[in-house]
Amino acid sequence: NAGVTQTPKFQVLKTGQSMTLQCAQDMNHEYMSWYRQDPGMGLRLIHYSVGAGITDQGEVPNGYNVSRSTTEDFPLRLLSAAPSQTSVYFCASSYGTTQPQHFGDGTRLSIL
Amino acid sequence: SQQGEEDPQALSIQEGENATMNCSYKTSINNLQWYRQNSGRGLVHLILIRSNEREKHSGRLRVTLDTSKKSSSLLITASRAADTASYFCATDEGLNTGFQKLVFGTGTRLLVSP
Repeated sequence: NAGVTQTPKFQVLKTGQSMTLQCAQDMNHEYMSWYRQDPGMGLRLIHYSVGAGITDQGEVPNGYNVSRSTTEDFPLRLLSAAPSQTSVYFCASSYGTTQPQHFGDGTRLSIL
Repeated sequence: SQQGEEDPQALSIQEGENATMNCSYKTSINNLQWYRQNSGRGLVHLILIRSNEREKHSGRLRVTLDTSKKSSSLLITASRAADTASYFCATDEGLNTGFQKLVFGTGTRLLVSP
């Protein structure tokens, strides 16, 4: 039972490159979310999903895409990386919207 | 939007002492949650308190909620060096899709010295 697994743990990109941050959970949770954590700003919601095939935008969705083809996986795509996207990205899952969230250990992303 | 704000931003205590962190929020909530984040790790859920509850305990943790003042406090009793971490409160905020997103504060950094 691994919980929420995020890969890679670290990544350095050049401006304009694209990449996909992977997130997988083995708890059969319907709800999954992506957050970014920046110094002094807490966590901000990027995109979320309430089940396979259903996604929607959060607070800061610009520059990111998501898809949810299976219950287990919820990848986050950076379309054209910008320095402002340098951050720590966390994926979370839960049984319901008002239930405790289970977080992965994050992906530390630097855009040069 | 940032709903929860923790106070203090940083707290340094000795092992065995109690640590109290406060959280204030702006709008009505269904529940409030507290999370811990160790350096370089993800957030770990500590406790959830619903809007109709006033106090909740879990081991050495005690959480209170005052909806009239829109505030909550987290008390860690008999602190240990292993309690060193950042602590975040999170409140739910409804989106027009019906999804209740969590809105996190900026956190309190707790340092417990041996």
